[in-house]
Amino acid sequence: QKEVEQDPGPLSVPEGAIVSLNCTYSNSAFQYFMWYRQYSRKGPELLMYTYSSGNKEDGRFTAQVDKSSKYISLFIRDSQPSDSATYLCATGISNFGNEKLTFGTGTRLTIIP
Amino acid sequence: DTAVSQTPKYLVTQMGNDKSIKCEQNLGHDTMYWYKQDSKKFLKIMFSYNNKELIINETVPNRFSPKSPDKAHLNLHINSLELGDSAVYFCASSQGSRGGYDTEAFFGQGTRLTVV
Repeated sequence: QKEVEQDPGPLSVPEGAIVSLNCTYSNSAFQYFMWYRQYSRKGPELLMYTYSSGNKEDGRFTAQVDKSSKYISLFIRDSQPSDSATYLCATGISNFGNEKLTFGTGTRLTIIP
Repeated sequence: DTAVSQTPKYLVTQMGNDKSIKCEQNLGHDTMYWYKQDSKKFLKIMFSYNNKELIINETVPNRFSPKSPDKAHLNLHINSLELGDSAVYFCASSQGSRGGYDTEAFFGQGTRLTVV
């Protein structure tokens, strides 16, 4: 069993829809939680970052973490065609220079105009 | 001005060859990484270096040897390339944790390695 599980999709939704992307993780020691966005033929770039349970908003994006159920979500409101990309959740343990991100497999998202 | 740059962007080579991928970061970060992304987009860490010192070495064949001449550079040398080595290799860097959670990793654009 992978440490971080993510539905690989693909997921296609119409423009303007609310998108929900989800991950589960198995290691309760994970301390911080990230969402990366990766456009085709590009490197991943950090989208959202949180280290506590609850919601964190940034514009149209909301990251949600539930540590009790080991569940991570990313919500995208008013989705745009430019949001079409692969979204990777990632978790890690802060270890003073020995950080290691563990990624989910990524969900490929397409927003249909 | 690219923060994390790696070369080459594409690499096609024959089985059995030896090749290197270079990575440089101009962010002043202490920690650098190599990740491998397979055809299913699964991104997995291979190595990390903190201030030129090897910190993480996942179960990677010893045909893969990272080298960090200084904290701004982390190169990856691969000996006796095999078909299964075909993947996209990403270099990344982060400030690393200094009593906090400043661990955002900045990725390069990737090197698409194809072994034929």
